[in-house]
Amino acid sequence: QKEVEQDPGPLSVPEGAIVSLNCTYSNSAFQYFMWYRQYSRKGPELLMYTYSSGNKEDGRFTAQVDKSSKYISLFIRDSQPSDSATYLCAMTNTGNQFYFGTGTSLTVIP
Amino acid sequence: SQTIHQWPATLVQPVGSPLSLECTVEGTSNPNLYWYRQAAGRGLQLLFYSIGIDQISSEVPQNLSASRPQDRQFILSSKKLLLSDSGFYLCAWSPGTDLYEQYFGPGTRLTVT
Repeated sequence: QKEVEQDPGPLSVPEGAIVSLNCTYSNSAFQYFMWYRQYSRKGPELLMYTYSSGNKEDGRFTAQVDKSSKYISLFIRDSQPSDSATYLCAMTNTGNQFYFGTGTSLTVIP
Repeated sequence: SQTIHQWPATLVQPVGSPLSLECTVEGTSNPNLYWYRQAAGRGLQLLFYSIGIDQISSEVPQNLSASRPQDRQFILSSKKLLLSDSGFYLCAWSPGTDLYEQYFGPGTRLTVT
């Protein structure tokens, strides 16, 4: 079983839709959770990070962590064509090793 | 603010040739440093991480090596490249000391021919 599972998509939504991206994980020791956005042929860009369980909001983005279910989510409200990218989840418990999902490809159609 | 640099941006090398990719971080001290390889559809593979000068851990057996000659400099090397070394190489840093978010560089796209 992989440490982190993420649906690769692709996911295609109309502009203005709410997007839900998800990851599941198997290691209950993970404490730190991150979401990255990666445009084609670029390095991943850190969008949000959260510690332990709960919600965190930043503009149109909301990150949720449910440690009891080993499930994390990223919600994008009022999606824009510029949000079209691959979204990667990542997590760690020690800061030495990070475990990444394989990424979900998102296209927002104008 | 912190900045991470990688070079070169793209590289085409023949099989059997040596490799040296460089990564530097500005605006922070004593960062944790990482090298990843990203292959299409396979996510990010951690190659090396370093929590300090001369403290480097290797995650995957391979013909690659890493060195950290200065606090904010991380180098990925190979003596003889293989075709399977082709990929997108990413350097990343994190503050460490209980702050674990990672920040990535722009990457180097390596093609071994």
